[in-house]
Amino acid sequence: KAGVTQTPRYLIKTRGQQVTLSCSPISGHRSVSWYQQTPGQGLQFLFEYFSETQRNKGNFPGRFSGRQFSNSRSEMNVSTLELGDSALYLCASRPMGGRFFGPGTRLTVL
Amino acid sequence: QQPVQSPQAVILREGEDAVINCSSSKALYSVHWYRQKHGEAPVFLMILLKGGEQKGHEKISASFNEKKQQSSLYLTASQLSYSGTYFCGTVTTDSWGKLQFGAGTQVVVTP
Repeated sequence: KAGVTQTPRYLIKTRGQQVTLSCSPISGHRSVSWYQQTPGQGLQFLFEYFSETQRNKGNFPGRFSGRQFSNSRSEMNVSTLELGDSALYLCASRPMGGRFFGPGTRLTVL
Repeated sequence: QQPVQSPQAVILREGEDAVINCSSSKALYSVHWYRQKHGEAPVFLMILLKGGEQKGHEKISASFNEKKQQSSLYLTASQLSYSGTYFCGTVTTDSWGKLQFGAGTQVVVTP
């Protein structure tokens, strides 16, 4: 089976812009979760979707949003980018239990 | 509530053992362990469920003490390939599906 794929792999944006990241889970996995990873804060949970419904949300401002489509693919959107949003954004899918991570999208905000 | 991991870092020689601890202030449903190598995504090692047994992955095993809300990861007879950052992740009984990670333990195995 193909692993979790994320696009794009790298992004450079400027403050105030918005960005959309995409995640395709492993075939058959219906749950997708998103994490932000930074050197200072580590792995922070953003949200999790299951069958197009948001099941859990982390402590991030409303500028961070996501959605899941009927084919389980997921997108996350960050509006009004700030310098502090520079991070590696990881998506993970799961059947049950353990998460299988994609390679991440490295976002740099200038 | 994120779990607390210790130690922050450990340096080992090949063949030595190490223990990484993970604790939570809340009742746990499950504990996950992942390893992340530099520039790569975290890789799932194992999951321990409330009421479950000790798990193992090669010479890496883990235990889950439900009463203390703690888990420990045991690296036995370490190999160079064990180097990386180990993260524990926890799902508490009051937050269905929400997996939160500790700060990580950097493990360096030297020849």
